[in-house]
Amino acid sequence: GNSVTQMEGPVTLSEEAFLTINCTYTATGYPSLFWYVQYPGEGLQLLLKATKADDKGSNKGFEATYRKETTSFHLEKGSVQVSDSAVYFCAGSAGGGSQGNLIFGKGTKLSVKP
Amino acid sequence: DAGVIQSPRHEVTEMGQEVTLRCKPISGHNSLFWYRQTMMRGLELLIYFNNNVPIDDSGMPEDRFSAKMPNASFSTLKIQPSEPRDSAVYFCASSFAGANVLTFGAGSRLTVL
Repeated sequence: GNSVTQMEGPVTLSEEAFLTINCTYTATGYPSLFWYVQYPGEGLQLLLKATKADDKGSNKGFEATYRKETTSFHLEKGSVQVSDSAVYFCAGSAGGGSQGNLIFGKGTKLSVKP
Repeated sequence: DAGVIQSPRHEVTEMGQEVTLRCKPISGHNSLFWYRQTMMRGLELLIYFNNNVPIDDSGMPEDRFSAKMPNASFSTLKIQPSEPRDSAVYFCASSFAGANVLTFGAGSRLTVL
């Protein structure tokens, strides 16, 4: 079945540093890909998505490009802020007859220091 | 819309007790998902429903866990009897079937002593 692998954390950065969180997927066909963010004490929120190869999802300064050739969907931000401290989850649609189910990576905790 | 509503937000109980977690999905959404989150295992899908019908319950750990969705606006996840290893945050999420975009509730933090 489909699977998603993302880099393990935690990741600690200084404010205004560049962020990359790697995510790769294994799937039959071409799943839709997502990044979700979980702030402390809250549920997951959709950050951005891409539904086909070469699509770029973007939101709040974060970007990720659906790379079919490398089966990747790395999350990037040029200048992180303390408020970006959270856990980030990469996810892909499960495919087949799963009717909307998502496969999540294990999450990467980001801490941004002032 | 108030989003996905879960209750209780926190539950502390003793081993052997019955626990019932509740979820109200977003009105109009026809898929509902129950996830469990722990430090060791991350986010695990327990079960999901489409149009109130359970589609995949292969993630339910064992017979102590059961989930129901009696109507489009309500679902329960029950653990009976509870065990300390059930301690986790349980999330409910909903979506339009096939839309792949899930809206999560704030979670129910369960501690079994």
